Amino acid sequence: DIQMTQSPSSLSASVGDRVTITCRASQGINNFLAWFQQKPGKAPKSLIYAVSSLQSGVPSRFSGSGSGTDFTLTISGLQAEDFATYYCQQYHTFPLTFGGGTKVEIK
Amino acid sequence: EVQLLESGGGLVQPGGSLRLSCAASGFTFSYYAMTWVRQAPGKGLEWVSTISGHAESTSYADSAKGRFTISRDNFMNTLYLQMSGLRVEDTAVYYCARGTYSGILSALDDWGQGTRVTVSP
Repeated sequence: DIQMTQSPSSLSASVGDRVTITCRASQGINNFLAWFQQKPGKAPKSLIYAVSSLQSGVPSRFSGSGSGTDFTLTISGLQAEDFATYYCQQYHTFPLTFGGGTKVEIK
Repeated sequence: EVQLLESGGGLVQPGGSLRLSCAASGFTFSYYAMTWVRQAPGKGLEWVSTISGHAESTSYADSAKGRFTISRDNFMNTLYLQMSGLRVEDTAVYYCARGTYSGILSALDDWGQGTRVTVSP
């Protein structure tokens, strides 16, 4: 199975900050990498697929980058509504696997 | 507008069975693979199973193999997850999610709101 390791597991940030979350795959997954946002008690929301392609309606302050095994989600100019938990996920190979999540909290 | 509405969750004893449903609307259901993902209380997301658009292919997590069966009815626009031999560790919110095309391996885009399954004596 491909292991997805996210870091950090949590972070504190202020509105307006630039936030970076990293995700490392245990083996190469080409560009089959997605990011999701989840708020407490809510369903996950798809943000990014294929490393850097924004889902429809996702604000441009979200961006993704990376290749091979190392990937990054960046939020440029954190907004109040961005405080949530973020997950990466590989869809290169079954079983599909998710990272452990990064909780973005208000400083 | 894409809508996915799960139902069928509830409280069941260990060893029991449940059938979850996910009613889809707002898109041509058979054009898209569908996936079940679950989330145990306070935990992260765990993939359970995926079925291709015309049900020609399925895949299961090891935790689901032999106990869960994914299926779909493309006339009723509904996805199912038949769960049997339920264990306490199957307690979770179960989400259905749409793939980005009909092939079995794809990104996920839209998600339902989830249905809660509790397995307890």
